[in-house]
Amino acid sequence: NAGVMQNPRHLVRRRGQEARLRCSPMKGHSHVYWYRQLPEEGLKFMVYLQKENIIDESGMPKERFSAEFPKEGPSILRIQQVVRGDSAAYFCASSPGLPNISGANVLTFGAGSRLTVL
Amino acid sequence: GESVGLHLPTLSVQEGDNSIINCAYSNSASDYFIWYKQESGKGPQFIIDIRSNMDKRQGQRVTVLLNKTVKHLSLQIAATQPGDSAVYFCAEKIQGAQKLVFGQGTRLTINP
Repeated sequence: NAGVMQNPRHLVRRRGQEARLRCSPMKGHSHVYWYRQLPEEGLKFMVYLQKENIIDESGMPKERFSAEFPKEGPSILRIQQVVRGDSAAYFCASSPGLPNISGANVLTFGAGSRLTVL
Repeated sequence: GESVGLHLPTLSVQEGDNSIINCAYSNSASDYFIWYKQESGKGPQFIIDIRSNMDKRQGQRVTVLLNKTVKHLSLQIAATQPGDSAVYFCAEKIQGAQKLVFGQGTRLTINP
């Protein structure tokens, strides 16, 4: 029973290149969330997706960043023309669906993808 | 609010003692709270959660307390063990929303 799978675990890019981070949610989960974490800081929400739909992208930078969760395949977080400030750990989480009747919404996190921009 | 560029608060306890990690949340419309544990190089791991209509919930060696009057959440860990060393984050969910908003985090270190 695999958990949330993220790849690559580590990615090195030079400034101006593109970074693609992939996330396969837990089996049976249809909701995906992306968070960014800088060293010694908390997790900052970026985007929330369901299959083929972006539900909440209030935490996504307006430029260079995009996310998708196609009908088939993993969710992808894409960063174009990376800059040094994009260096961070990017975590994906998944949940089975909407919060349950009591409001609970446990997100299960992957191990993260660590992006280093040279 | 969010803080940028600050080092994590640190709590040091002796092995075997009880630990109390505190968290202040900001939104009175939050209806669900959750604690995560993050070990170095790993993703956050669920510890315990609590709904806003409760003020206490217990798990195995952990207890979460919720004080809605002052918007305060705490995590108590009984008989702290070396494996409890990690960064602990509280997170809140606003009623009607799905995303979790994370707090700053507290680093727990265990002294032998």
